[in-house]
Order: sequence, then C-alpha cells, then structure tokens
Amino acid sequence: KNQVEQSPQSLIILEGKNCTLQCNYTVSPFSNLRWYKQDTGRGPVSLTIMTFSENTKSNGRYTATLDADTKQSSLHITASQLSDSASYICVVTARWGGGGNKLTFGTGTQLKVEL
Amino acid sequence: DAGVTQSPTHLIKTRGQQVTLRCSPKSGHDTVSWYQQALGQGPQFIFQYYEEEERQRGNFPDRFSGHQFPNYSSELNVNALLLGDSALYLCASSLRGDHNEQFFGPGTRLTVL
Repeated sequence: KNQVEQSPQSLIILEGKNCTLQCNYTVSPFSNLRWYKQDTGRGPVSLTIMTFSENTKSNGRYTATLDADTKQSSLHITASQLSDSASYICVVTARWGGGGNKLTFGTGTQLKVEL
Repeated sequence: DAGVTQSPTHLIKTRGQQVTLRCSPKSGHDTVSWYQQALGQGPQFIFQYYEEEERQRGNFPDRFSGHQFPNYSSELNVNALLLGDSALYLCASSLRGDHNEQFFGPGTRLTVL
C-alpha cells in the first residue's frame, strides 16, 4: 500500500529560526515528490518538485532534499517568517498507466512561527 | 488567468441529502482530480477525470460520482450524505503526464448536519 508519513506532526519555532520537516514514503513506482504549503482553509500550493535523479531543490528560503534509496525527503526552511505558518504536505506521485498519475499525500506538518 | 475555481465555497447539508460541487480548471489544463480533506488530515484522492471519463479512482464508495464536461470543467456528486462526509473538497487541475503539477483550487467546505 502506498503511504507517506511526515514528522513532526506539529512544530512551533521563533521567527528567524530554521527548521527541518521530514517525509518517509513507500510509493511505487515512484515518479516525483513535491512539497506543498497549505494555509488554513485554502488549497495547497507547490513549493518544490523532485524526480528520482534529483537530490536537492531550492525555492527561496525553502530547500528540499530527496534520498530515493532510503525513500526519505526533507524540507528545510531558513530564517522563518510569520507567514510561513501553515501546513506543509509531502506528496509522492506514482506512475499510472496511460500517462496519468496518482498522488499520495502525507498528513502534513503543522508549522507555527511565533514572535 | 483565474486559476482553478470552485463553487460554492461553503455548503451545509443534512444527512441523506445529495450535493453537487463544481470545478473549473486552470486555463489550458485538461485533467481534473478531486480530493477529500478531513480536518487535520491530508487530502485523500477521490477520482481523476480526463477526456470526460473517470480514469482513476481512490477508495471511495459509489455514492461519490463525477463528471467532466467538454470544456474540461468538472462536477463532484455525493449522494446519501453521511456526517463523515463533512470535509474540505479540493479540485486540482493539470496537464496529462507524470510530472505535470496539479494546481489546486480553494476548496469547498461541506458540512453535513
């Protein structure tokens, strides 16, 4: 069964500090892994995407890593801001016949940045 | 470009009723996927439509059905509503293909009383 597990479940950090979120997956056949940011009551917005051959990808203050051998990914946020407060969801895409794809979502890490 | 739009934004129904949610994909996208997100949980895949046909389906009962129109917009129908159907329903659109990003709409918040 395809699964995506994230840790920690929730996290509180002070503004300006760094943090790292973890994602472990058992999805096959693997196509790509994305990190999404979801503000409360809104749809998720993609931060990064990595395919099998990529092991790091940056988007501003967000840096994602991927270890396809151990099936682990991390999202590192540097110099956190109050606006970073949101749920961060790891999403792994499995290949599907006919050119389609199927996404498996983690339950997310709820990040709160405080003054 | 309006991006993915969904209607209505909020909806309240009672048990046993039926509901229809609507989604317009991002301009140029041909594939629409629907997800159910319970409070505090990650989205769960319901089904995906391409070329007006259901191409993939998640682990949801037949009470959940859908449709895609020639203009690529889509509807999600849920019959015989249960309390447990209360959730945020997300629509995502994309171009057919493995690496094409799914763009999400703002969602429809359904409350079943």
